Amino acid sequence: GQQLNQSPQSMFIQEGEDVSMNCTSSSIFNTWLWYKQDPGEGPVLLIALYKAGELTSNGRLTAQFGITRKDSFLNISASIPSDVGIYFCAGQLTGNTGKLIFGQGTTLQVKP
Amino acid sequence: DAGITQSPRHKVTETGTPVTLRCHQTENHRYMYWYRQDPGHGLRLIHYSYGVKDTDKGEVSDGYSVSRSKTEDFLLTLESATSSQTSVYFCAISWTGAGNTIYFGEGSWLTVV
Repeated sequence: GQQLNQSPQSMFIQEGEDVSMNCTSSSIFNTWLWYKQDPGEGPVLLIALYKAGELTSNGRLTAQFGITRKDSFLNISASIPSDVGIYFCAGQLTGNTGKLIFGQGTTLQVKP
Repeated sequence: DAGITQSPRHKVTETGTPVTLRCHQTENHRYMYWYRQDPGHGLRLIHYSYGVKDTDKGEVSDGYSVSRSKTEDFLLTLESATSSQTSVYFCAISWTGAGNTIYFGEGSWLTVV
């Protein structure tokens, strides 16, 4: 089946540093979504991207929908301890079902 | 919080027993989904529904069935639980499906012993 390759798998950074993660696929998606998951909780939507080339910000988070529609990246600027968690990308396939394909996740740890 | 309630939140059951997980939404969203999350596999779609009594399979549907008799409830049933079904199960909802954001519930932790 379709797969999303998300990298890096994990990151350990110093508070205040910027973070970048990305997802690539061989499939074309019509929507990209970025989620954050804290331990013991469900994924929480951070940013949604609906058009190729779209660049969207949400506070310190910025995400882009790749021109080829096969990739997306998420940047976090000036990281803080509460940014700790697992970040997932998800691509929504063409068609009208809304089914998502998820990346494996990037585990972020921030050292104060 | 997107108005999604999953129950039970935690359950331990024995191999071979039937188990039903319930997802209840208060948002009147048309689409509902069941995902499972396992280490090394991320989130994978089990089944989804695009309306009352309208359901379809996802990528890991074997051993699972679903039912949706009303808009607000989507049930996931393990007819005869196996240890490989030990997982965290997430319900999700979407207003219109494609091109729309999907919101997740808080998860149901199922252990099959």
